[in-house]
Amino acid sequence: SQTIHQWPATLVQPVGSPLSLECTVEGTSNPNLYWYRQAAGRGLQLLFYSVGIGQISSEVPQNLSASRPQDRQFILSSKKLLLSDSGFYLCAWSVFTAGVNSPLHFGNGTRLTVT
Amino acid sequence: GNSVTQMEGPVTLSEEAFLTINCTYTATGYPSLFWYVQYPGEGLQLLLKATKADDKGSNKGFEATYRKETTSFHLEKGSVQVSDSAVYFCALSRIQGAQKLVFGQGTRLTINP
Repeated sequence: SQTIHQWPATLVQPVGSPLSLECTVEGTSNPNLYWYRQAAGRGLQLLFYSVGIGQISSEVPQNLSASRPQDRQFILSSKKLLLSDSGFYLCAWSVFTAGVNSPLHFGNGTRLTVT
Repeated sequence: GNSVTQMEGPVTLSEEAFLTINCTYTATGYPSLFWYVQYPGEGLQLLLKATKADDKGSNKGFEATYRKETTSFHLEKGSVQVSDSAVYFCALSRIQGAQKLVFGQGTRLTINP
């Protein structure tokens, strides 16, 4: 069966520090991978998605970047965090097979607080 | 553009009450529609979905019908339980290849015993 792992679960970082959040998916090949952010009191916003190794699409301009060094690994990064980067970050995967998308499957999320 | 508008929360009900959480959408074409649920401290889980007009998605006693004429996908449950307390998100899927979901803002539901 497929599983998705995100870490860490919580993170407190000072303004200006770097960030690296990791997400790995097991049990499926060539998944589409996504990073979403849920800011306090707001819905989820798609930040990045990837349809393959090294392929990253950015949905909104921001202080963050994403990379996909391996098929099942998706990393969210920042060189210098801002207070506005605080939020709940969710990684997700789906597969596109025979012209049909599976639903998104989410990890348990990382709560990031920038102080 | 594509957007989803959900009923403002929070919503508080007593156990066994009838639940409706309204969701309306704006989209080009024919999106798929979803309800996701987020239990405290967890990520999102798919609750139900509908892929075309008049489809009814159902799961765990929850139902939602894809109404193209009113561009709505309201979530209902006949008798809620304390364990249904969570945040519920309505979403639409924009397209092929990568499934880029557009979410509503979420509705926090609390069920009191």
